[in-house]
Amino acid sequence: AQSVTQLDSQVPVFEEAPVELRCNYSSSVSVYLFWYVQYPNQGLQLLLKYLSGSTLVKGINGFEAEFNKSQTSFHLRKPSVHISDTAEYFCAVRVRGSNYKLTFGKGTLLTVNP
Amino acid sequence: DVKVTQSSRYLVKRTGEKVFLECVQDMDHENMFWYRQDPGLGLRLIYFSYDVKMKEKGDIPEGYSVSREKKERFSLILESASTNQTSMYLCASEGGARYGNQPQHFGDGTRLSIL
Repeated sequence: AQSVTQLDSQVPVFEEAPVELRCNYSSSVSVYLFWYVQYPNQGLQLLLKYLSGSTLVKGINGFEAEFNKSQTSFHLRKPSVHISDTAEYFCAVRVRGSNYKLTFGKGTLLTVNP
Repeated sequence: DVKVTQSSRYLVKRTGEKVFLECVQDMDHENMFWYRQDPGLGLRLIYFSYDVKMKEKGDIPEGYSVSREKKERFSLILESASTNQTSMYLCASEGGARYGNQPQHFGDGTRLSIL
C-alpha cells in the first residue's frame, strides 16, 4: 500500500520569502502525485499534478513541484509567497491504474506573515 | 468548472440520531467519494462509488453507510450518530477513465457536530 509523509505540519514564513513544502511517498509501483490547497472554510482545490513526462510541474498561483523518483519525493515550491497563500496544503498519491483510492498526507499549514 | 455541492455547511445533531449528508455534482462524473477530515489526521476515505448503486468501503467505513441512486448524487448516512463522528465531511467527484489520473473535485465541506 502507498503512503504519504508531509514532513512539516506547520511552516511560517514572511511575505515575499520563498517556501518549500516537503512531501515524501512510499510505493512499490509507479504513482500519480497531486498537491491540493485548502483555504479556510473551503474544500480542497487542485494546485498541480504529476502524471508522467517532465519532472518539474507548474501549477496555479505560481506554485511548482519537482518529482524525484530516486528520493520518492514531490516537494512544492514558490519563489515568493503572498499573504493570500496562507492555507493548508495536502500532498496525495495514487497508484497508476488503481482502484481510485487517493492517499493523502496529513497536511502542512502554511502561514504567511506580513 | 465542476461544481460539487454539499447540502449543509454546518449541522448539529444529537447522539443516536440518523444523519444524512447530501452531495451533488453537475459534471456527470462516474466516481464520487466521502472523506472525513480531522486535525492532524488529514483526509480519510469513508466510502466511494464508481457507478450508480455501486459502493466500496474506504479506510474507515464503520458507523457509516452510503447511497447512490442517481449518478449525480451521493449520500452519506450516519446510522446512529455518536460524538466521535463530530468532524468535517468532504465530498468529492472525479471523471474520466478508470486510470486514476484525473483530479478529484471537492465540495466546501459539512462541519458536523454531534452533541
